[in-house]
This record gives sequence, C-alpha cells and structure tokens, in this order.
Amino acid sequence: RKEVEQDPGPFNVPEGATVAFNCTYSNSASQSFFWYRQDCRKEPKLLMSVYSSGNEDGRFTAQLNRASQYISLLIRDSKLSDSATYLCVVTPRAGNNRKLIWGLGTSLAVNP
Amino acid sequence: NAGVMQNPRHLVRRRGQEARLRCSPMKGHSHVYWYRQLPEEGLKFMVYLQKENIIDESGMPKERFSAEFPKEGPSILRIQQVVRGDSAAYFCASSPGTSYSNQPQHFGDGTRLSIL
Repeated sequence: RKEVEQDPGPFNVPEGATVAFNCTYSNSASQSFFWYRQDCRKEPKLLMSVYSSGNEDGRFTAQLNRASQYISLLIRDSKLSDSATYLCVVTPRAGNNRKLIWGLGTSLAVNP
Repeated sequence: NAGVMQNPRHLVRRRGQEARLRCSPMKGHSHVYWYRQLPEEGLKFMVYLQKENIIDESGMPKERFSAEFPKEGPSILRIQQVVRGDSAAYFCASSPGTSYSNQPQHFGDGTRLSIL
C-alpha cells in the first residue's frame, strides 16, 4: 500500500464549479499535512497546511480526519488558474524527521 | 530574490559522466532537502541535511549518489557514473532550523537532468 494515496483524476470542471480532492495516508503516526500544487512539472508550491480543526484560505478549505487517516481539499468557485496537479503531502512522524512523503497528485483542469 | 536557488536549471550529461547539482537555501534556512521526480511519477524524498550533517538519507540510492551541505556554500547533490535512469527533475527545498515538523518547505525551480 502506498504511504499517501490520491485519485489521479483528471478532474475536468467548468469555471465556477466546486471540486473536492481526497487523500488517505497509511502511517497513523504522521504528524503534519500539507497540500501543494504543481504546474506542468515545475517546482511544487505550498498551497496550505492542514490542521486538525480544518482551515480555510479564501476559496480553499482543507480538512483532516486523523481517525480515518484522510485529508481533503475543497476548491470553491474554480478559476482557470486553478488548473494544476494537487499534491497531498505528509511528514511521517514528530521529532527530527521532516521528510515529505508525497502522493502522486490529482490533476485538475478548469475549463472556460 | 531570497528564495531557494538551484543551478543549473538544465543539465545534460552522457552516460558515465558525473552530475553535480547545487542548491542554496532560502536566507535564514539551515535545513535542506532533496527530492527527485522521475518522468510521469511523483516526488520522492532523497536526503535531508543540516549544515555539515546528513540527518536522513533513507531515500538515496545506495550507490553513485551522495549529498553534502558544507559549513560554507551551497548543498551539492552528486551523481557519479550517470545512467539513463537518472534522468529526472531534482528539486531542493529548505526550511528554518526549528524543532517543528510542520514548518513548510520552500522549493527551488529544480534541475532537469538529461542523460544521453
């Protein structure tokens, strides 16, 4: 089983749509969680950290369910510029180990 | 620009040559990470370094690959005797030297390595 699993998509949605991505992780001791986006295999860029209480940043909402080992990202009012690959990322455990474990990404295409 | 600087952006090598990839972390960051993204695959952790120390190299291939982060100068990822399978994008990231694992990592533009 992969450490971080995502539906690869692609998700094709019209502008203005709401779209949700899901991610599961296998290591229950995982400590920190993030969503990154990557455009055309350029460098990954941090979209948002994910907190246990859930958090929102503009049109983006992230949720974490530790019991189910599940992370989600909701994008409201999709824009053309949201087209990218969305990467679910976890750090395996607390302490000094900070390597990032990456999902393969979910591809989103927002169409006019 | 005080971001993570990687060079070169593109590197072409013939099989058997050596490749050296450089990474200067963001100002004030003392932790460096290297990741590799093979064509059509996800990012994979390779190595995590602090100044003059390798903290975690569990993602490094056992042979031909080495990394360092000297007291002065950039971090270097070195690949000896390159093979076609080493062709990939190599990303460097950095983070501050705090004890919190939830500090996000900031990425450089990457080095695209092509092996002829």
